[in-house]
Amino acid sequence: EAGVAQSPRYKIIEKRQSVAFWCNPISGHATLYWYQQILGQGPKLLIQFQNNGVVDDSQLPKDRFSAERLKGVDSTLKIQPAKLEDSAVYLCASSPLGSPNTGELFFGEGSRLTVL
Amino acid sequence: AQSVTQLDSQVPVFEEAPVELRCNYSSSVSVYLFWYVQYPNQGLQLLLKYLSGSTLVKGINGFEAEFNKSQTSFHLRKPSVHISDTAEYFCAVCPGNNRKLIWGLGTSLAVNP
Repeated sequence: EAGVAQSPRYKIIEKRQSVAFWCNPISGHATLYWYQQILGQGPKLLIQFQNNGVVDDSQLPKDRFSAERLKGVDSTLKIQPAKLEDSAVYLCASSPLGSPNTGELFFGEGSRLTVL
Repeated sequence: AQSVTQLDSQVPVFEEAPVELRCNYSSSVSVYLFWYVQYPNQGLQLLLKYLSGSTLVKGINGFEAEFNKSQTSFHLRKPSVHISDTAEYFCAVCPGNNRKLIWGLGTSLAVNP
């Protein structure tokens, strides 16, 4: 079974530029998550989708971050314009809907963003 | 409000020594408990989980954890560590009434030869 795919793995941009990250979850997983992980910290949930609907985006900085999952499968996270403090690893995760393993997530390898 | 505290930010240990990574949580409802591991430059991987039943749970790579409801703890243990266990370890809690994971700040385990 293929895991969660993310791209690009690494991205370096200058502040005020834009960037987009892509995620393809495990096939059949209804729930998709985007996390931000700053060096030395735990993951911070940015947005959670269930199919193509948003379940939780309370910690997404909506003035600069956006995310979509139009067909309920893959997803894109965009940052525009980027700030220095956005330097982090952006992790995508997925989980099956209705699984008894509540809270168990399957993570991709992450996309490391450096903003100069 | 729920919270997770990992009591040690860094744990250095020699190879083949035992190790315990401590995790305490606070919650007014029943919880599901998880330990995730993150190897350098990789995503997070589930190490083990407690959902119900036996309070001693075994995970991958020889790790185990014990759920202690009275002390609200879920400490992770391994009797003999290897160099390859060097990684960041995260404790996470999922309150039973929703599916939002609450994460600790992580414990960096460094296994030295």
